[in-house]
Amino acid sequence: KNEVEQSPQNLTAQEGEFITINCSYSVGISALHWLQQHPGGGIVSLFMLSSGKKKHGRLIATINIQEKHSSLHITASHPRDSAVYICAPYQLIWGAGTKLIIKP
Amino acid sequence: NAGVTQTPKFQVLKTGQSMTLQCAQDMNHEYMSWYRQDPGMGLRLIHYSVGAGITDQGEVPNGYNVSRSTTEDFPLRLLSAAPSQTSVYFCASRITGGGYEQYFGPGTRLTVT
Repeated sequence: KNEVEQSPQNLTAQEGEFITINCSYSVGISALHWLQQHPGGGIVSLFMLSSGKKKHGRLIATINIQEKHSSLHITASHPRDSAVYICAPYQLIWGAGTKLIIKP
Repeated sequence: NAGVTQTPKFQVLKTGQSMTLQCAQDMNHEYMSWYRQDPGMGLRLIHYSVGAGITDQGEVPNGYNVSRSTTEDFPLRLLSAAPSQTSVYFCASRITGGGYEQYFGPGTRLTVT
């Protein structure tokens, strides 16, 4: 059984749509990391959060430590948001990622 | 700051050859790590270090060696390359302790024929 489950695995949406990516995990953690991997391969940190919600621009991340669940939301999605989004509970176990494609 | 740098960006090896992937960071981070990324899979930890002179194995350490003689550098050595080691390798660093985000290098794409 995978210790990190991301859903959906693949998501294609139209520009402007509200996007939600979910991450469920089985290990007890104190913090979770969301990262973005660009089509060129580079990995960029988006959020590190241990409770509640964080917002950066059009990106919002939420976490419920008790439920072992986190979500990443993108408002007013744009083609430049096309990337693979990875969640990593406490950076020990890495999800395979959600491949997001935003069509113009 | 250059952040985390990796060299080379691309490498092709023949089975049995050895090589070293270089990683350096200029953020004075104590914690450094090496991951491999294979298609359809998440990042898998190969080796990590919590400071100069201290290294430990991750999830998939076989076939790889590391050393940490300075805070800045954390090279990964492939002792005898195998086709199963064809992958993209990422080096990362962060402040030691929980709750600190990692900074990744640009990656090295390795092909073993």
